Parts: sequence; C-alpha cells; structure tokens
Amino acid sequence: GAGVSQSPSNKVTEKGKDVELRCDPISGHTALYWYRQRLGQGLEFLIYFQGNSAPDKSGLPSDRFSAERTGESVSTLTIQRTQQEDSAVYLCASSLGGGAAEAFFGQGTRLTVV
Amino acid sequence: GIQVEQSPPDLILQEGANSTLRCNFSDSVNNLQWFHQNPWGQLINLFYIPSGTKQNGRLSATTVATERYSLLYISSSQTTDSGVYFCAVEDSGAGSYQLTFGKGTKLSVIP
Repeated sequence: GAGVSQSPSNKVTEKGKDVELRCDPISGHTALYWYRQRLGQGLEFLIYFQGNSAPDKSGLPSDRFSAERTGESVSTLTIQRTQQEDSAVYLCASSLGGGAAEAFFGQGTRLTVV
Repeated sequence: GIQVEQSPPDLILQEGANSTLRCNFSDSVNNLQWFHQNPWGQLINLFYIPSGTKQNGRLSATTVATERYSLLYISSSQTTDSGVYFCAVEDSGAGSYQLTFGKGTKLSVIP
C-alpha cells in the first residue's frame, strides 16, 4: 500500500482479555517497528523486526506482550490479559531496513482497557 | 542506551513568528529524524537528517553530528504548525536499529 496501515483504529477491551493489533508495512520495507505512546507522553520502543533476522524484543514491557511477523509482511502485536496500564496508542512504523533508513509511521491503534 | 533531550518542552508563538527547536543526543548516530505529531496523533515525517542541512519550505533542519545536536527551524509560523515535534535517533554503536525518541516540544501557534 501507499503507507503503513494499522487496524483497528480504536479498540476498547475489558481488563483481562487478550487483544491483537495489526500492522501492514509499506511494500518493500524489510524493517518494522512497534512503539507505545501513553497519553501526553513520548514514544516507547517495543520491538523491531528486520527481514528474517531474530527480532529485537528489548522494549517489550512484560511477557504479556508478544509480536510476530512472517517475512516482510504483516505484523501482529498481541497483549494477553490486558491491564488498565496497557491503555495507550500503539504505533507501527516501517523502513527499508538495515539501519540508517527513514521510518514511516501508521496512524496508530488507540487501545482502551476498561 | 542513547539519551535524547529536546528543548524547550513547551513553546507558544504568535502566528508569523520564527522558532528554533533543539535536540541533543548522547552518542554518535546513524539516523536522525524530525517528526511532527499533529493534533490527531499522526506522526508526519519532516526531515531525515543524520548530518548536514536541509530545507523544505518554511522548515529547515541542521544536524551537527560531531557535536551531537540537531536544530529544527520554523519560520513564519502558522496555526497549522501546532502540535508536538519529536526528534528520534538510531544509536550507531548499539547493534540495534531501534529509534529512540526525545520527549518532544509542544508547540502552540496562536492567531
């Protein structure tokens, strides 16, 4: 597609439920990032994928968070047993990869845990 | 990890005024980007500028990599420039390609 696409745009879920967030990167982009942005805050790095290499998971805040990506295609971020502190906007970005490449962001998924 | 500091944290401008936003970083970088987050939350790419100077209309940016800072200049500000400006860097020595963001500068342009 023309840009990074994320779905859903908004998600309201009950505490304790699992959620899946989806990211479609720009075609041809081998690198994909997930970030979290709490209200009024900056962007926190979660995870980075580059092609078929092992992902950099160093930003995942707990074992309730996981992400998958098959090759250079769609990625899903899964949050299990959601907590109220998981409420945030989850942003995905993609780039041509390999470092020193411009990253482009999607519009984000606003997650609200009630 | 690399530290990124942006200043000022908040800025209020009269429409038509000029401003300079600053980004300091603690280590050498492969990548530096400036983004504008509009009131709807969308992150818009302004500049990809690991070094040197670039201009795009009323905006320009300069990165002095050897001194570990970057500046974003906004001239003749407009109300549509309001939002949060983020600087993000990729640490060249970290072995990871993650982008580390500063906390942003919140700009309000008033008519």
